[in-house]
Amino acid sequence: EAGVVQSPRYKIIEKKQPVAFWCNPISGHNTLYWYRQNLGQGPELLIRYENEEAVDDSQLPKDRFSAERLKGVDSTLKIQPAELGDSAVYLCASSPNTGELFFGEGSRLTVL
Amino acid sequence: ILNVEQSPQSLHVQEGDSTNFTCSFPSSNFYALHWYRWETAKSPEALFVMTLNGDEKKKGRISATLNTKEGYSYLYIKGSQPEDSATYLCAFQGGGNEKLTFGTGTRLTIIP
Repeated sequence: EAGVVQSPRYKIIEKKQPVAFWCNPISGHNTLYWYRQNLGQGPELLIRYENEEAVDDSQLPKDRFSAERLKGVDSTLKIQPAELGDSAVYLCASSPNTGELFFGEGSRLTVL
Repeated sequence: ILNVEQSPQSLHVQEGDSTNFTCSFPSSNFYALHWYRWETAKSPEALFVMTLNGDEKKKGRISATLNTKEGYSYLYIKGSQPEDSATYLCAFQGGGNEKLTFGTGTRLTIIP
């Protein structure tokens, strides 16, 4: 069975540019998460979806970040415009509601 | 803000030696404690999901214990091997199916 797929793996952009990350969760997993991991920190939740509904987006910086999960499957996370402090690894995870999260390999963003 | 702490932050262990590290978490409103292993350039992989006080789980040379009353969990690795080199993350899950709050991880390096 295929795992969680994320793209791109790496992205380097200049500040004020937009960037988007894509995630394809494991088939049948209704819950999808976007986490951000800053250097030296643990992953922090940005947004959680139950099917296509965002049930927890309290940590998403809504002035520049947006996310969508159309049809309750794939999801995209967008940053516009990017700032230097957005440099991080963006992790997508999905769950079959057992509590265990299955992560993708992450998208490493560097903002110059 | 939930306080999930891991120690030590980093650890170098000689191949063949055994080692252990700690995760401390809130002792109230406990639902589950998760351990993940995150190897460089790979996706975080679930090791254990622990829910019962006093529980001990084992997977090969890796085992974990849980004390929910005092709010800590230990991860043990017996006879360390180079492939054990990774960052080990613990995550606290409160209430019922709430979001995971991650610690900052313990970066383990096995010296051949």
